[in-house]
Amino acid sequence: GESVGLHLPTLSVQEGDNSIINCAYSNSASDYFIWYKQESGKGPQFIIDIRSNMDKRQGQRVTVLLNKTVKHLSLQIAATQPGDSAVYFCAENIWWGGSNYKLTFGKGTLLTVNP
Amino acid sequence: GAGVSQSPSNKVTEKGKDVELRCDPISGHTALYWYRQSLGQGLEFLIYFQGNSAPDKSGLPSDRFSAERTGGSVSTLTIQRTQQEDSAVYLCASSLVTGAGQPQHFGDGTRLSIL
Repeated sequence: GESVGLHLPTLSVQEGDNSIINCAYSNSASDYFIWYKQESGKGPQFIIDIRSNMDKRQGQRVTVLLNKTVKHLSLQIAATQPGDSAVYFCAENIWWGGSNYKLTFGKGTLLTVNP
Repeated sequence: GAGVSQSPSNKVTEKGKDVELRCDPISGHTALYWYRQSLGQGLEFLIYFQGNSAPDKSGLPSDRFSAERTGGSVSTLTIQRTQQEDSAVYLCASSLVTGAGQPQHFGDGTRLSIL
């Protein structure tokens, strides 16, 4: 898995398997988290988000789990498809005063889906 | 279009030249962000606008970098006297407002190459 600020890890899975991408965040005051998918040559694409008052949120084939105790976030992709191959970033939203917030991104996990 | 639009998509220029990068956010989005992404790396925050004002310029790497936003819409990022280390993908994102529960939506970036 990745940690906000560390090297880019990789994950290789077979088509049809479930994928789990992990992320450790640093700031216990972070109140909002987002997972992005970035394909080659494209900008990051929003996948799913979760607020800190939730432990789990489900979307279409994706689930995000948040464990605030250990400051850990994961993205689960069900029945992974070749089109899911991309770099996945987690981002944490940190309040820094007034009405100002900043998203801090990890360096991403490269997911490769083998047919 | 409905998404964030950036231009040019690619820019090649000689060291020492000035470059101007443009971002058209999603209509109605009041918050606009600039990031830099080097090859295989995560997103480095540069600057953020709320309306036309920039409460956070902390990420600008040097005084060669500047940005402005007019009419609460289009933003330009200007790099003066470009250096080879400025080569990267420059990404723009916008959100409806800033804060928790407000995902940032990205354009596809401008790929800047300094010769």
